Amino acid sequence: EIVMTQSPATLSVSPGERATLSCWASQNVASNVAWYQLRPGQGPRLIIHGASTRATDIPPRFTGSGSGTDFTLTISSLQSEDVAVYYCHQYHHFPPAPTFGEGTKVEIK
Amino acid sequence: QLHLQESGPGVVKPSETLSLTCSVSGDSISTSNSFWGWLRLSPGKGLQWIASIHQSGTSYDSQSLRSRVSISIDTSKNQFSLDVTSVTAADTAIYYCARRTYTDGYWALWGQGTRVTVGS
Repeated sequence: EIVMTQSPATLSVSPGERATLSCWASQNVASNVAWYQLRPGQGPRLIIHGASTRATDIPPRFTGSGSGTDFTLTISSLQSEDVAVYYCHQYHHFPPAPTFGEGTKVEIK
Repeated sequence: QLHLQESGPGVVKPSETLSLTCSVSGDSISTSNSFWGWLRLSPGKGLQWIASIHQSGTSYDSQSLRSRVSISIDTSKNQFSLDVTSVTAADTAIYYCARRTYTDGYWALWGQGTRVTVGS
């Protein structure tokens, strides 16, 4: 099973500043990585798929990059509504099973 | 607009069967050529995929839960369901239903989730 590792566990960023979230895969997953945003009381929301393609209605301050084993989600100018836990997800080796990272909690400093 | 809504018991006793339903509105479950799935978020294991099913009946499930889970689809009611047998405290989680296209592996749309606690 592919293990997805996210860093850091918690990220504190001032409003308007850049937030950089990292995700590593234990094996090559090409560009088959998605990122999801999970706000309290809501279901996960797709932010990025194909490592770098923004999902529908996602603002351009969200940027995904990477391929192979190293991936990054960047929020260029943090807004209050971006406070959430962000999960990366590989769907390259599927089946047997897609796997998710442990999540990065983004909070306002 | 497509909307997914989970429903479940809230609390289930250890060793019993957990039954969850996802109601789909805004699209037909039988013509959308999508996979419909169940995932869960638990404190100990984070996000975990459980099982997926296509309108044709083709289904996949997690190897770690395979012996205890059953996913089904009811096109007449536009909903799909999940049963988890012999539940333990480790099955306490928020359960989400979600949708992905037939060819894409990522989950494009999720429900709000239903919290399930295993306890007496």
